[in-house]
Amino acid sequence: KQEVTQIPAALSVPEGENLVLNCSFTDSAIYNLQWFRQDPGKGLTSLLLIQSSQREQTSGRLNASLDKSSGRSTLYIAASQPGDSATYLCANNAGNMLTFGGGTRLMVKP
Amino acid sequence: GAGVSQSPSNKVTEKGKDVELRCDPISGHTALYWYRQSLGQGLEFLIYFQGNSAPDKSGLPSDRFSAERTGGSVSTLTIQRTQQEDSAVYLCASSLAGTPNEKLFFGSGTQLSVL
Repeated sequence: KQEVTQIPAALSVPEGENLVLNCSFTDSAIYNLQWFRQDPGKGLTSLLLIQSSQREQTSGRLNASLDKSSGRSTLYIAASQPGDSATYLCANNAGNMLTFGGGTRLMVKP
Repeated sequence: GAGVSQSPSNKVTEKGKDVELRCDPISGHTALYWYRQSLGQGLEFLIYFQGNSAPDKSGLPSDRFSAERTGGSVSTLTIQRTQQEDSAVYLCASSLAGTPNEKLFFGSGTQLSVL
């Protein structure tokens, strides 16, 4: 059974810092790895999708990497802002469904 | 519509009652998913619909849970004889064709509280 783990569970940083969120998974037979953002009381917003043949994807201040052989993905957020405060979830897709990690709750302080 | 719409946004019910949760996917999206998000369990897959194919029900936790998708669009998730452990946020998502490398678009969820 696929297991997805995110570390740390919570993170608090001052505004302007660069930060890295970690995601690990047990089964490397995946189609893709996705990163989502969830604001309190809201659904999930897709941030980046890295296909299994890719190594990384970038969108603005976000960069996600994928290392299938080691079962790891990282989400790098540059120059963090208070508006980045949210829960970040990674999920891998091995077929019809996504398997999610427990999320990292990020707080960026002004 | 512009996004995935779920109703109600909040539902409080008594233990033993049946509840129905509704999801309107993005127009034209053929794939529809239900997930459950509960404290301590994270996000769990429940069921997946793709076009006219038989749904993938492998994530439904018990036979009290069922889902339908009428006309390839709107979906209803029904929980019979609700239990307190059913309390969670139920999230619906849709994608264009249901292929693995597509992004999923999520609704805001239904917060279900079973007293």
